Amino acid sequence: AQTVTQSQPEMSVQEAETVTLSCTYDTSESDYYLFWYKQPPSRQMILVIRQEAYKQQNATENRFSVNFQKAAKSFSLKISDSQLGDAAMYFCAYNTNAGKSTFGDGTTLTVKP
Amino acid sequence: DVKVTQSSRYLVKRTGEKVFLECVQDMDHENMFWYRQDPGLGLRLIYFSYDVKMKEKGDIPEGYSVSREKKERFSLILESASTNQTSMYLCASSTTSPKNIQYFGAGTRLSVL
Repeated sequence: AQTVTQSQPEMSVQEAETVTLSCTYDTSESDYYLFWYKQPPSRQMILVIRQEAYKQQNATENRFSVNFQKAAKSFSLKISDSQLGDAAMYFCAYNTNAGKSTFGDGTTLTVKP
Repeated sequence: DVKVTQSSRYLVKRTGEKVFLECVQDMDHENMFWYRQDPGLGLRLIYFSYDVKMKEKGDIPEGYSVSREKKERFSLILESASTNQTSMYLCASSTTSPKNIQYFGAGTRLSVL
């Protein structure tokens, strides 16, 4: 069974600074998909970024980028130029072939003005 | 835009009551999911459905059942609510492709007294 581990229950960052959220996973599959989702306080969970395992190039979406290390089974999220609106709980997730996701326990990110 | 609608944002029920949580999606997605979210435990899958009238148990199905009579609607049923089922419940939908993201509802915060 796949497992996803987020080792940082809480992180904080100063506005305009950069922060990296960690995620490791365990799988025996060679082809899979990884995701970072964001859940703002009292708001819906939304996708931040997606990485396809067969692609070596790290995914980027504006200020959000990932460091995908397939051999190490590591998938960290880097947020550059942090904004107050980035404050949220962030979940790392792994998709099985059936489209079912396994989520990590989440990292709560605080952004300090 | 994909929309996943959960019928209630907040619900208060008494121990022993039968509780229905409803979820409707408007994107013709095959897969629908019910998660439970508790602090420090991330998202735990209760049940998922990959087609009408089809369902599979997730990680924590005990005390819950589901119904999917129509493709767009997925209901979570607590046959006899207990205080340890007080939680946030999230519904999500997706296509069957593993590369596709899950779209989430706003959540239902259920309190069982």
